[in-house]
Amino acid sequence: NAGVTQTPKFQVLKTGQSMTLQCAQDMNHNSMYWYRQDPGMGLRLIYYSASEGTTDKGEVPNGYNVSRLNKREFSLRLESAAPSQTSVYFCASSESGGWDNEQFFGPGTRLTVL
Amino acid sequence: LAKTTQPISMDSYEGQEVNITCSHNNIATNDYITWYQQFPSQGPRFIIQGYKTKVTNEVASLFIPADRKSSTLSLPRVSLSDTAVYYCLVGDEVNRDDKIIFGKGTRLHILP
Repeated sequence: NAGVTQTPKFQVLKTGQSMTLQCAQDMNHNSMYWYRQDPGMGLRLIYYSASEGTTDKGEVPNGYNVSRLNKREFSLRLESAAPSQTSVYFCASSESGGWDNEQFFGPGTRLTVL
Repeated sequence: LAKTTQPISMDSYEGQEVNITCSHNNIATNDYITWYQQFPSQGPRFIIQGYKTKVTNEVASLFIPADRKSSTLSLPRVSLSDTAVYYCLVGDEVNRDDKIIFGKGTRLHILP
């Protein structure tokens, strides 16, 4: 039981390049989330998926797109990376979408945009 | 979503009890109070959750007064490994339009 896995662990991009961050969970959870964390800051919600087939914007969605591929997988895409998107990205999942539900986090992806 | 306020940082010594207080004056009737812990270079980890009075598990205790406008996370006999950032979140299952906000949390530093 791996929990929440994220790939890649590290990535360096040049401004304007695109990439997709992958996230998968094996806990049969309905809800999944993408956060970013900048140095010394808390986590900010980018997008979430309350259930398979649905996605909603979070606090900082600009510059990102998401796909809930199936119940297990939730990907985050940067179409044209910018230095302001340099951050650590965390994926999380929870049994259901209520904010009182425990969220399980992945190990994070460290992204640097030059 | 109820806004929360917590101290930016705290220092304590090994073996002491640490109490971190979170203010949430606008907490709604359906809101639960949840605390997460984040170690450096890791994702946050759920510690404890409560609605009212006191909740205790193997890691911590959570004290919630009757008016629920604040809550206190209590870590008994801390060790160096408890050095982490602690986040207080307040939310419910009903109001999905609000976006969960972790905030900056409380950076707890345990000294030997």
